[in-house]
Amino acid sequence: DAGVIQSPRHEVTEMGQEVTLRCKPISGHDYLFWYRQTMMRGLELLIYFNNNVPIDDSGMPEDRFSAKMPNASFSTLKIQPSEPRDSAVYFCASSLGQFGGSNYGYTFGSGTRLTVV
Amino acid sequence: ILNVEQSPQSLHVQEGDSTNFTCSFPSSNFYALHWYRWETAKSPEALFVMTLNGDEKKKGRISATLNTKEGYSYLYIKGSQPEDSATYLCAFPSPDSWGKLQFGAGTQVVVTP
Repeated sequence: DAGVIQSPRHEVTEMGQEVTLRCKPISGHDYLFWYRQTMMRGLELLIYFNNNVPIDDSGMPEDRFSAKMPNASFSTLKIQPSEPRDSAVYFCASSLGQFGGSNYGYTFGSGTRLTVV
Repeated sequence: ILNVEQSPQSLHVQEGDSTNFTCSFPSSNFYALHWYRWETAKSPEALFVMTLNGDEKKKGRISATLNTKEGYSYLYIKGSQPEDSATYLCAFPSPDSWGKLQFGAGTQVVVTP
């Protein structure tokens, strides 16, 4: 398996523009997570899905952020409109089973480094 | 909010020395304890998932122990090498939402030659 695949690896955009981050989880994994890494807050959970259904979006900072998982092999995180404070590394992760993936834990993607200027 | 605490926040180790650090978590409603290694400019990588009290797991020079009754886990690095430099995160399933992990702030390990 190629692991969790995220695209793009880097994104530079202007303030006010729409940004879409993409994630392909590991085949067969039933949980998908979106995290954001910042200097101030470390690794911050934004939202997670179980079997394509959003379960907990309490970490989504505001209405400018939205996430979808139309099928088991694809998820998007959208920011509209983007702001400079959204600049961060965004990670997608997937796992199999509850409790963080009972045997193997999370598998993280390589991340998308977003810069909003 | 679940408290997963790691100490120390950072430590410096001479190459060849051994070291260890701690993760503390609530001892009630235990299901699993995870350890991840996070190298700079990379993504976190799962090291261990531990579920049983007294469990000990090993991967190369890195090992971990688990005490669920008192709520702590130790991670040990034997004969540290520069490539062991990373932030080590522990994580615990959040009781309000079992699908997600609550991560600690991490212990940053710097191994100097």
